[in-house]
Amino acid sequence: DVQMTQSPSYLAASPGESVSISCKASKSISNNLAWYQEKPGKANKLLIHSGSTLQSGTPSRFSGSGSGTDFTLTIRSLESEDFAVYYCQQYNEYPPTFGSGTKLEIK
Amino acid sequence: EVQLQQSGPEVGRPGSSVKISCKASGYTFTDYVMNWVKQSPGQGLEWIGWIDPEYGSTDYAEKFKKKATLTADTSSSTAYIQLSSLTSEDTATYFCARGYSSYIYVMDAWGQGASVTVSS
Repeated sequence: DVQMTQSPSYLAASPGESVSISCKASKSISNNLAWYQEKPGKANKLLIHSGSTLQSGTPSRFSGSGSGTDFTLTIRSLESEDFAVYYCQQYNEYPPTFGSGTKLEIK
Repeated sequence: EVQLQQSGPEVGRPGSSVKISCKASGYTFTDYVMNWVKQSPGQGLEWIGWIDPEYGSTDYAEKFKKKATLTADTSSSTAYIQLSSLTSEDTATYFCARGYSSYIYVMDAWGQGASVTVSS
């Protein structure tokens, strides 16, 4: 299975700041990568697919980049609602696999 | 609005089975596959498998082939996962998640999760 390694595991930032989360695949996955947001008491939300395509409803302060093995989720001008756990997922190879998550906390 | 409403928490004894439901609304149930994902306590996410409600066809990750059974009832727009021969390793939260159009492994709508606790 393709291993997805996310870093950092924890990230503390203040509202208004920008942050980046890294996701590395153990082999090339082209651009077949999605990012999800997990918040307590809410259903997980698909933010980005195909590496950089924003899902409908995803704020424009979110962006995704990368291809092959290295991917980045960037959130510009953090808002209070953005503090959550973020997961990457590859769907290029079977079975689909997820990263271990990055918890974004308020500093 | 697309919604996936999952059933409540389950407690099962070792060796028994539990069945979790996922009722879909806001879209045509048979137009999208339904994935199931496991999240063990403090762990990440694991894909279990998917079901195509229109045809009843299924696919399972190797690890879950003898553990999970996916079914769907089109009359009630409800998907189910049954977990059998429960062990402590099955204690987790289980999510249903709709496959995004032709990208079936991209999950564009999720249920709220259903916790399963295996305890004697």
